[in-house]
Amino acid sequence: QSVLTQPPSASGTPGQRVTISCSGSSSNIGSNYVYWYQQLPGTAPKLLIYRNNQRPSGVPDRFSGSKSGTSASLAISGLRSEDEADYYCAAWDDSLSGQVFGGGTKLTVL
Amino acid sequence: QVQLQESGPGLVKPSETLSLTCAVSGYSISSGYYWGWIRQPPGKGLEWIGSIYHSGSTYYNPSLKSRVTISVDTSKNQFSLKLSSVTAADTAVYYCARVTRELLGWYFDLWGRGTLVTVSS
Repeated sequence: QSVLTQPPSASGTPGQRVTISCSGSSSNIGSNYVYWYQQLPGTAPKLLIYRNNQRPSGVPDRFSGSKSGTSASLAISGLRSEDEADYYCAAWDDSLSGQVFGGGTKLTVL
Repeated sequence: QVQLQESGPGLVKPSETLSLTCAVSGYSISSGYYWGWIRQPPGKGLEWIGSIYHSGSTYYNPSLKSRVTISVDTSKNQFSLKLSSVTAADTAVYYCARVTRELLGWYFDLWGRGTLVTVSS
């Protein structure tokens, strides 16, 4: 059971906009930054979003992050086949004094 | 460019100690950043194990703290993970990563390719 809750799966067709949710609590998302990672099949995770909504250099602006209260979302617009991957949210948890991850969402591009 | 590379035995016997090393190239560990370990059991999600600063200060996942030791060797520009009393539940791909720590959190901005460690007799 992950501290942060994500839907196990999501899907969309090319060109569509999809969102992935991440639900937490006041001790993690509610009081700290949210980060998102993309893990393409067979590869290491890659940082996608930091500080709730910032994109590292090289990440397309089709990816965007937002946070409200104890929940966060990752939105992918103009969906492409190469976006098919697992997506993880993460945050620092003040109660646990540790980094926590969501269980991951497998995105399928139909 | 900065690269991280995990190394260590791919098979460990139950009750023994898992030992991995992460070699960093293209950047001096002594210059800053935290450095961390994350694992991923086959077909499952990510789990943070712990992180270390070049000075040696550490943060560990509370659920693993009693079994984990992370150390840094600045002379070799590498850091290491030891996980004791392993069981089959510790079978996972182990990743090392560079950690950027900020006021309201920290994130892993560079990752190694990962190494699969299987716990089995």
